Amino acid sequence: DAGVIQSPRHEVTEMGQEVTLRCKPISGHDYLFWYRQTMMRGLELLIYFNNNVPIDDSGMPEDRFSAKMPNASFSTLKIQPSEPRDSAVYFCASSLPGQGSSGANVLTFGAGSRLTVL
Amino acid sequence: AQKVTQAQTEISVVEKEDVTLDCVYETRDTTYYLFWYKQPPSGELVFLIRRNSFDEQNEISGRYSWNFQKSTSSFNFTITASQVVDSAVYFCALSERGRDDKIIFGKGTRLHILP
Repeated sequence: DAGVIQSPRHEVTEMGQEVTLRCKPISGHDYLFWYRQTMMRGLELLIYFNNNVPIDDSGMPEDRFSAKMPNASFSTLKIQPSEPRDSAVYFCASSLPGQGSSGANVLTFGAGSRLTVL
Repeated sequence: AQKVTQAQTEISVVEKEDVTLDCVYETRDTTYYLFWYKQPPSGELVFLIRRNSFDEQNEISGRYSWNFQKSTSSFNFTITASQVVDSAVYFCALSERGRDDKIIFGKGTRLHILP
């Protein structure tokens, strides 16, 4: 497996524009997580899915952020409209469920999408 | 509430010194997992270790060792004989079984190993 694949790796956009970040999890992983990393706040959990269903979106900053997982192999995180304070690295990660297996709950991260909003 | 605290924001040590990174967690669950991840300057996040709440046995892997103490809710990470390649941000994380496997991270400790 190629691991968790995120695109784009870098995105520079202007305030007010729509941004869509994409993620392909590892095949067979039931969980998908979106995290945001900034210097001030560290790694924040935005939302996570189990079997394509959103479980907890309490970390989504505001209504400008939305995430979908239409199938087991694809997820998107959308920001509309974007603001300079959204500038961060956005990580997608996937994992097996916590059922006691050796790989349970171990996150495999994508390389991240670095977003800069001017 | 589920919480992970890494009080050390940044640490600098000279190469070959030992260094310990602290992690304190809060949870109401009796069943949970603790983790450490490494983020080198290249930016990717790499899994180092997972420990479940029923296994308090300390673990050693080469120059790395982990000390899990439920009595103090701590899961500390020690690097022995540090090397420049150990320079990275290290994150501690917690997953509660009763919270649908939600995984949260501490804010990380940036470790500088000086040559």
